Amino acid sequence: QQQVKQSPQSLIVQKGGISIINCAYENTAFDYFPWYQQFPGKGPALLIAIRPDVSEKKEGRFTISFNKSAKQFSLHIMDSQPGDSATYFCAARGGAGSYQLTFGKGTKLSVIP
Amino acid sequence: EAQVTQNPRYLITVTGKKLTVTCSQNMNHEYMSWYRQDPGLGLRQIYYSMNVEVTDKGDVPEGYKVSRKEKRNFPLILESPSPNQTSLYFCASSLGQSISYNSPLHFGNGTRLTVT
Repeated sequence: QQQVKQSPQSLIVQKGGISIINCAYENTAFDYFPWYQQFPGKGPALLIAIRPDVSEKKEGRFTISFNKSAKQFSLHIMDSQPGDSATYFCAARGGAGSYQLTFGKGTKLSVIP
Repeated sequence: EAQVTQNPRYLITVTGKKLTVTCSQNMNHEYMSWYRQDPGLGLRQIYYSMNVEVTDKGDVPEGYKVSRKEKRNFPLILESPSPNQTSLYFCASSLGQSISYNSPLHFGNGTRLTVT
């Protein structure tokens, strides 16, 4: 079964610090890697996404770093804020025209003042 | 407002009593899907639909049915719910027939189901 392994399961970061969440995959056919952010009582919402022909994608304080040879990608949250406290999911699509996203198991981030 | 709407938000039922969770999107999206979210297991796909009358199984389809008779609606049916189907369910949709960089997945706000 296709898998995306996400770590850590939970993360506590001080306000202003850098939050880093990592994901690894095995299937080299994966070709689209989104990150979702979920607040309590809400559905996941797309945060940022990257294609494998790009090594880094930055949007504001959020950056995806992608290492195709290592089959790893990570989310970096710079200057973390208490409002960033949420659960984050990485995901991967299984190739062009695939109808499925495979999700990691999630990371609960708590940013403390 | 563009959105995916699920109803009900909370549902408590008993084993064996058929139930339907509705999902509707107002974005004219082709693709719709159902996921369940369980602690420690993340999001797992139950069923998906690429278009009207076209559906297929995801990773955990056992015990569930779906139908796609209209483009905007994609109900999830549990004909004989069991306690192991207690979970948080999410409906999602995307513009194209599959998920892509230009056609990302949009989620509803979830339905928390408890089966006793």
